[in-house]
Amino acid sequence: SQQGEEDPQALSIQEGENATMNCSYKTSINNLQWYRQNSGRGLVHLILIRSNEREKHSGRLRVTLDTSKKSSSLLITASRAADTASYFCATDALMNSNSGYALNFGKGTSLLVTP
Amino acid sequence: NAGVTQTPKFQVLKTGQSMTLQCAQDMNHNSMYWYRQDPGMGLRLIYYSASEGTTDKGEVPNGYNVSRLNKREFSLRLESAAPSQTSVYFCASKIDRGRYYGYTFGSGTRLTVV
Repeated sequence: SQQGEEDPQALSIQEGENATMNCSYKTSINNLQWYRQNSGRGLVHLILIRSNEREKHSGRLRVTLDTSKKSSSLLITASRAADTASYFCATDALMNSNSGYALNFGKGTSLLVTP
Repeated sequence: NAGVTQTPKFQVLKTGQSMTLQCAQDMNHNSMYWYRQDPGMGLRLIYYSASEGTTDKGEVPNGYNVSRLNKREFSLRLESAAPSQTSVYFCASKIDRGRYYGYTFGSGTRLTVV
């Protein structure tokens, strides 16, 4: 089963507003990453937060991580129409066979930013 | 520096046909991955290769085989395609130094099985 679960599944806001997406996961992680996917396109890496970090910023993005609650949030400030996309959290964790690390994705949040 | 290159970008197969999806990376990454993405879903791991010569099953390996031909290339084979394998397939790679780097994804292969 998929490791992460994003909330909400869909979010519609107006330009200039902030968008907050949440992610919960199940097992211990090495780090947590957020990706953006425009419709019909590949994934773009946005930001990575390590398991020993609690908050990270990159431009208009702010990510928090609470390992005690196994949850993370992505905040996009002052949203733009170009931010319209699906956003996925992914946990980087050791696979069961201890043979290496892999990303486990949630189902994503579909964000629509209207002008 | 092309990153991760997947071929083909689009493919239509008939049920029972076989095909191989190709993936190559030019970043000297150790680990490579194959994911599938179905509508409304996140990516699910099919197979991965932590290093040249090793492969392991992910969450949804049934119906697929993989080959880590060398450090650069990681192919995914469908021996007898089924409509349930209609999906978008993404290849990814990651360097393992430090284990704190983001993954690099290819642009995907859109596969339809009729």
